[in-house]
Amino acid sequence: QKEVEQNSGPLSVPEGAIASLNCTYSDRGSQSFFWYRQYSGKSPELIMSIYSNGDKEDGRFTAQLNKASQYVSLLIRDSQPSDSATYLCAVIVDSSYKLIFGSGTRLLVRP
Amino acid sequence: DVKVTQSSRYLVKRTGEKVFLECVQDMDHENMFWYRQDPGLGLRLIYFSYDVKMKEKGDIPEGYSVSREKKERFSLILESASTNQTSMYLCASSDTRGNTIYFGEGSWLTVV
Repeated sequence: QKEVEQNSGPLSVPEGAIASLNCTYSDRGSQSFFWYRQYSGKSPELIMSIYSNGDKEDGRFTAQLNKASQYVSLLIRDSQPSDSATYLCAVIVDSSYKLIFGSGTRLLVRP
Repeated sequence: DVKVTQSSRYLVKRTGEKVFLECVQDMDHENMFWYRQDPGLGLRLIYFSYDVKMKEKGDIPEGYSVSREKKERFSLILESASTNQTSMYLCASSDTRGNTIYFGEGSWLTVV
């Protein structure tokens, strides 16, 4: 089992809709969770970090964490074509600084 | 403005050559990482370092080594490049708590 799993997509949503991206992880001891956005040919950029159960909102983005289910998600409200990118879920595992990424979900926002 | 700099953006090397990829950060971060990214496989951790002269293997260390002689610099070494090491290589750094990880712009390596 991979340590961090994401559906590769593509996830296609119309402009203005809510995009929901999901991620599961295998290490129950994980404490830190991140969402990165990566445009084609560019390096990843951090969107959100979340450390405790529940929701964390930042503008149009909401990260949700459920440690019991080992599940973290990212909601993008009012999706824009400029949100079209690959979204990477990342987890710090083993109580160390080892940051492990999922393979990413490609999001396509249709005008 | 925080910065992680990968000096070589595009390289073409021959099979068997020794390759050095250099990464420098100006944030006084303790942790530094090397990943490679391939289509459909996401970012895979090669090595990371949590202090000068300290290193730990990631998920795919075979065929690679690293060097961290100074805090700001973390080098990835391919002792004998092979075609299956053609990839994009990403360097990253973070503070002690690992809460914010910054990436360099990536180094595209082609081994022919």
